[in-house]
Amino acid sequence: QVQLVQSGSELKKPGASVKVSCRASGYTFTRATINWVRQAPGQGLEWMGWISTNTGNPTYAQGFTGRFVFSLDTSVSTAYLQITSLEPDDTAVYYCARTSGTYAYDYWGQGTLVTVSS
Amino acid sequence: QSALTQPASVSGSPGQSITISCTGTSNDVGNYNLVSWYQFHPDKAPKFIIYEGSKRPSGISNRFSGSKSGNTASLTISGLQAEDEADYYCCSYAGGGTYVFGTGTKVTVL
Repeated sequence: QVQLVQSGSELKKPGASVKVSCRASGYTFTRATINWVRQAPGQGLEWMGWISTNTGNPTYAQGFTGRFVFSLDTSVSTAYLQITSLEPDDTAVYYCARTSGTYAYDYWGQGTLVTVSS
Repeated sequence: QSALTQPASVSGSPGQSITISCTGTSNDVGNYNLVSWYQFHPDKAPKFIIYEGSKRPSGISNRFSGSKSGNTASLTISGLQAEDEADYYCCSYAGGGTYVFGTGTKVTVL
């Protein structure tokens, strides 16, 4: 069965970096795009962008350029979200989700809580 | 890109029907029949319940239905059950490979 398994919670200091992983299984990794979605505490969902698992080409939403980087390691069917120069406002749960043939997210990871605090 | 507008909360008694609205603009909801809906339970992976406005993925109960009129999409849950208590989010394709989510709705089963 299709699964997206994300790495565990992270506690980071302001200014540090974090890399969240999203390991896919149960399907051919390159046949679906990987999207990233943020949910800040008590807030709604924000679409951060997506990465083509064929080309590695990322698309970033407004507000998620510069410090946010999507990447892949297709050899292990894993997508990554790296955030640099972390700020307290980056504290959120980050989800990966795939789209495959429809303009919808059919499978989601369990979410990774990133806490930024001094 | 502004978030789609959803009511903060909707409630209903078991067995009743409720409808959650999702209002966007002519640039997103109104321009594409590509609204999807998601159910978020605490401590569970999010669940995909409607795509392309009204289609149900395999395994999703027919108690969930979607529709659209103009710039507003709607999710109706009929025969409300205790297990339906969750947060619900809509999402629309907005062109150019971009998407926008709704503000989210907390459904309470009384």
